[in-house]
Amino acid sequence: DAGVTQSPTHLIKTRGQQVTLRCSPKSGHDTVSWYQQALGQGPQFIFQYYEEEERQRGNFPDRFSGHQFPNYSSELNVNALLLGDSALYLCASSFYLQGENTEAFFGQGTRLTVV
Amino acid sequence: AQSVSQHNHHVILSEAASLELGCNYSYGGTVNLFWYVQYPGQHLQLLLKYFSGDPLVKGIKGFEAEFIKSKFSFNLRKPSVQWSDTAEYFCAVRQGTYKYIFGTGTRLKVLA
Repeated sequence: DAGVTQSPTHLIKTRGQQVTLRCSPKSGHDTVSWYQQALGQGPQFIFQYYEEEERQRGNFPDRFSGHQFPNYSSELNVNALLLGDSALYLCASSFYLQGENTEAFFGQGTRLTVV
Repeated sequence: AQSVSQHNHHVILSEAASLELGCNYSYGGTVNLFWYVQYPGQHLQLLLKYFSGDPLVKGIKGFEAEFIKSKFSFNLRKPSVQWSDTAEYFCAVRQGTYKYIFGTGTRLKVLA
């Protein structure tokens, strides 16, 4: 049973560029959340997708956008990259049941470096 | 705004020593509480969780945590650590059904 898979594992981009990160949730999960983990910090919530819609958003600018596909996989897009966007981006999946989400399972993350 | 505080940023212990990692959160409502562990080079893994009921919860690998509502705390404990417990530990609170709020993490190093 595959867990949460993310691609790519590492990425180097230049300031001002755009990037797309991908996530496949754990089998049976229908909800995907994205987190940003800066060096020495805990993960910070970016947004969550369920039924192909953004359900909640953290304190991140509109440069951060996402998408969820009918097969529950998801993409995180970041436009106009800044040096401060360098971080580990984590995808977490869960299952929405009777008004609650089960606990989140995390992928290994994509390490984004902006130069 | 909700926050999670982990008091110890770096902890070094010898094998067989007892471990207690502190976690405090700021939220007055119903909370779901979690401890996650990240071993070197691996993804975040769930150690244990508290939703309701017995405030003393047991997790994997001999870890346990106690929810003390009056102190807004959810401290992680292990009676006897092993070298393989070397990792980073994150406490998290789930706000509503959506987002997790994480602490800054505690890096534990266990000396053989």
